[in-house]
Amino acid sequence: DADVTQTPRNRITKTGKRIMLECSQTKGHDRMYWYRQDPGLGLRLIYYSFDVKDINKGEISDGYSVSRQAQAKFSLSLESAIPNQTALYFCATSDSTVYGYTFGSGTRLTVV
Amino acid sequence: AQSVTQLDSQVPVFEEAPVELRCNYSSSVSVYLFWYVQYPNQGLQLLLKYLSGSTLVESINGFEAEFNKSQTSFHLRKPSVHISDTAEYFCAVSGTGRRALTFGSGTRLQVQP
Repeated sequence: DADVTQTPRNRITKTGKRIMLECSQTKGHDRMYWYRQDPGLGLRLIYYSFDVKDINKGEISDGYSVSRQAQAKFSLSLESAIPNQTALYFCATSDSTVYGYTFGSGTRLTVV
Repeated sequence: AQSVTQLDSQVPVFEEAPVELRCNYSSSVSVYLFWYVQYPNQGLQLLLKYLSGSTLVESINGFEAEFNKSQTSFHLRKPSVHISDTAEYFCAVSGTGRRALTFGSGTRLQVQP
């Protein structure tokens, strides 16, 4: 099994729908992150969490919310999806920024 | 605030030729620097990192990067590329005390036969 598992791998949804992207990890790391990747823009930070009670906004949190259900689970929600949220979404974990991240395989989300 | 600039969005190169992927950063504090690689339809994998000490760091597959504090750069190099090196490469920075990595926009390396 992968260290960081993201579900679903691909999703097409309609404008206005609520959608949840899930992430679970077996690394035992406290820190978890959500990024989105857009062509030519690299990865941009949406939210991050250092433990179940520590959740922080990143640079592009508008339109998104998160839930840290347990040390191993960190979900990203789009309350009302819009087309410009079409992107590749990555979850990542780390022990410390010093050690770098372990990434999931990504969720490709298309909002039509 | 911290930021990363990768000036080249695409770098085409022939197999067995040398390559350099450029990365410049800005930060008001001391930094940790990283290069990640993303193969098609995959997540990102850590390629190498600079934390402290020797300014030249190497990966297991022949890449190296040199931290240059005066030029605020962390360029990635390989003396001879292979077709299998075709991927997108991301430079990332974290200032000491910062809580998350900031990534550059990526450079797509296209190795041609």
